[in-house]
This record gives sequence, structure tokens and C-alpha cells, in this order.
Amino acid sequence: ILNVEQSPQSLHVQEGDSTNFTCSFPSSNFYALHWYRWETAKSPEALFVMTLNGDEKKKGRISATLNTKEGYSYLYIKGSQPEDSATYLCASGIASNTGKLIFGQGTTLQVKP
Amino acid sequence: EAGVAQSPRYKIIEKRQSVAFWCNPISGHATLYWYQQILGQGPKLLIQFQNNGVVDDSQLPKDRFSAERLKGVDSTLKIQPAKLEDSAVYLCASSRGPDSGNTIYFGEGSWLTVV
Repeated sequence: ILNVEQSPQSLHVQEGDSTNFTCSFPSSNFYALHWYRWETAKSPEALFVMTLNGDEKKKGRISATLNTKEGYSYLYIKGSQPEDSATYLCASGIASNTGKLIFGQGTTLQVKP
Repeated sequence: EAGVAQSPRYKIIEKRQSVAFWCNPISGHATLYWYQQILGQGPKLLIQFQNNGVVDDSQLPKDRFSAERLKGVDSTLKIQPAKLEDSAVYLCASSRGPDSGNTIYFGEGSWLTVV
């Protein structure tokens, strides 16, 4: 079974700060890396799905990078806003016919106005 | 496009009672997942359906949990009898197919408290 680790577990920043989180995953048999944002009382929302080593994706002020050889992904938020407060989950999938994803425990971000 | 629908949103039951959760996936999505998320942990896959067949239930505690997806659309997850450690959010999700490169779309979750 894969072990996906996220750090830090929680983070408190001031509005306007830029921040980043780490997701580490086993690099063997890697197929895809997902990032989700989960706001309280809402459904987890897909941010990115990345498959290629060196991939970089961007959505507004949020971006992510992927290193499949060393088994890590970074999520960056530029100029954090209070509405960015959420739990950010990453999940790694291996090459298989079931598409099973293994989730990390999440990084909870609080942005203070 | 309607999202993944789940009910009930919140449920409080006593230990040893039973509970059932319902999920309606996004129309046309062949793959349906039930995840359990315990506070402080990441979501754990309980069961995955491809149409109405089970493709992975390796982490489903089969002595107390059961799930079905009749007709390959809606699904129900049942817990009987419930234990205190079953307190968690139960997330239903769906995707177009079982490829792990496909985006998974989640419902809002069913929050269970067992007292």
C-alpha cells in the first residue's frame, strides 16, 4: 500500500502572504498526482491532476509542480486570501486497472485577514 | 451539470445501531467510490464500483459494512452495527472511469457521529 505524506499538517498565515505545501509519495509505479481543496461544509474540489515529471500547473493564484523521480509535489499559493482557508489534500495513483488513489492526511490552511 | 449528491448530510446514532448513506453520482460516470475520512487522517477508500460491479473492497470492514450499486447508478453504504470508531465523514465520489488520471468528483459528505 502506498504511503502519501503531506507537510505541514497545518499552517496559519496572514492575508497577502505566499505559502507552499509539500506532498511526498512513492515514486515507483507512479501514474498520477491529484490536488484537492476541501472547504468546511463543502465537497472536496479538484485543483490539479498531474502525470508528467516536471509538470507545472496553474489556476489563478495557485500553482503546483511535480517531481516523479524523487516523489514529491509542491502546491504554491501566491498572495493568500481568507477564502483560500481550507484543507488541501493530495492523492497519488499507481498504474493499475482500478485507478485507486491514496490520499495524504491533508494540510489545513488558515489565512487571517 | 449536477454534482454528486449525498444524504443524509449529518447523522448521530448510538453504538450498535445501524445507518445507511445514499449517493447519486454524476450522470454518465461509470466509477463510484465510497471514502471514509476520520478526523486528522486522509480519506480512505472503502469500496470502488465500476458500473454495478465491485473492483476494490479490500479496506471495507465486511463484518459490519456493506455497499451496493444496483443498476450501476445510485449507491448505498450501510453500517450495522455501528461502533464508536466509525465516527467519520463518508464521502461518495464518481469519475468517468477507473483510470487514476481521471478527475474524481466528490459529494459534500455524510457526517456520522456514533455515541
